[in-house]
Amino acid sequence: GENVEQHPSTLSVQEGDSAVIKCTYSDSASNYFPWYKQELGKGPQLIIDIRSNVGEKKDQRIAVTLNKTAKHFSLHITETQPEDSAVYFCAASYLDAGGTSYGKLTFGQGTILTVHP
Amino acid sequence: KAGVTQTPRYLIKTRGQQVTLSCSPISGHRSVSWYQQTPGQGLQFLFEYFSETQRNKGNFPGRFSGRQFSNSRSEMNVSTLELGDSALYLCASSKTGGGTASYNEQFFGPGTRLTVL
Repeated sequence: GENVEQHPSTLSVQEGDSAVIKCTYSDSASNYFPWYKQELGKGPQLIIDIRSNVGEKKDQRIAVTLNKTAKHFSLHITETQPEDSAVYFCAASYLDAGGTSYGKLTFGQGTILTVHP
Repeated sequence: KAGVTQTPRYLIKTRGQQVTLSCSPISGHRSVSWYQQTPGQGLQFLFEYFSETQRNKGNFPGRFSGRQFSNSRSEMNVSTLELGDSALYLCASSKTGGGTASYNEQFFGPGTRLTVL
């Protein structure tokens, strides 16, 4: 089955710096890669996702890049703010030809991001 | 619109007992997935239901089961509880099916914290 490795496990940055979290996946059939942010006492919340037919996607201060050949994808957060402090999870899934995932997301182990004011 | 709701939020049980957790998806969402979150194993997929049918299943023992009702609400049951079942159980709903990745975005509830003594 799919295995997702995520690094680093903890990341501490100063406000305004950039943060990068990297993930690798094992199953070349995976073609959908979402990133989730989990705050204390809450469930994970999707912040950005990418499909394998796209190499990069941006949404304001957040960007995700995907290298299918190397089977790795990364989350980039620019101009970090204290409210970005949370646990971030990458995940991998397979969407069939009709775009259905059948629910299963394989998650990385998570990165605790701390942004110091 | 209302998000995913899970009840109860906290639960304490003893070994050997059974437990039932409930999840109400976002209105209009037909897919419900369940995940177990622990510090050691991270987020692991349990199973996914769509139109009252289990479509996908993770690698958990048969003590873990679920069902979905005609209104898309879902329950999961754990029988013969073990200490290792202590975890945060998360439910996620999605529209699912076809077309864009947005149909597969999983919206997570706040989880049920289960403690087994």
